[in-house]
Amino acid sequence: GAGVSQSPSNKVTEKGKDVELRCDPISGHTALYWYRQRLGQGLEFLIYFQGNSAPDKSGLPSDRFSAERTGESVSTLTIQRTQQEDSAVYLCASSSYLQDNEQFFGPGTRLTVL
Amino acid sequence: KNQVEQSPQSLIILEGKNCTLQCNYTVSPFSNLRWYKQDTGRGPVSLTIMTFSENTKSNGRYTATLDADTKQSSLHITASQLSDSASYICVVSAYGGATNKLIFGTGTLLAVQP
Repeated sequence: GAGVSQSPSNKVTEKGKDVELRCDPISGHTALYWYRQRLGQGLEFLIYFQGNSAPDKSGLPSDRFSAERTGESVSTLTIQRTQQEDSAVYLCASSSYLQDNEQFFGPGTRLTVL
Repeated sequence: KNQVEQSPQSLIILEGKNCTLQCNYTVSPFSNLRWYKQDTGRGPVSLTIMTFSENTKSNGRYTATLDADTKQSSLHITASQLSDSASYICVVSAYGGATNKLIFGTGTLLAVQP
């Protein structure tokens, strides 16, 4: 596609439920990143994929958070047993060394945990 | 500790006026510095990127400067337009072995009023 897409755009869930967020990167981009942005705060790095492997998972806040990537394309971020503090916008970005590793961001998924 | 600080937190200016946003960083080893524009409800979009050897870079009405000695950067917006209303985020990349880690500032929220 022309840009990074994410789905759903909005997700409201009840505390304790699991959620899955999806990211479709720009075709051909080998690097993929997940970030979290809480209201009024800066972006927090969560995890980085190069191809299908994740050399840097240092930003995942707890073992309730996990992510995978398949086919060097789509990635899903899963949050288990959601808590209210998980409420945030989750942004995905992809990049290519052919474009100076500039990260192109998707529109984000706004997660609200009630 | 790697940090990026931006000032002011928020700014209101009249359409047509100029403004300058500041970014101070303590990131080592430094790789590059980017300014992003984030419209409400959207993902960030890159405006400029500068490496250690670059002092200034322009993108239309946006001009970024970098002083690698004092670890300061600024983003100057000329002849502001209503569409410039957004959050402007300073992002510094640190060399991190196989991957470069991005450190995000919390952004300056700019409102341009008619």
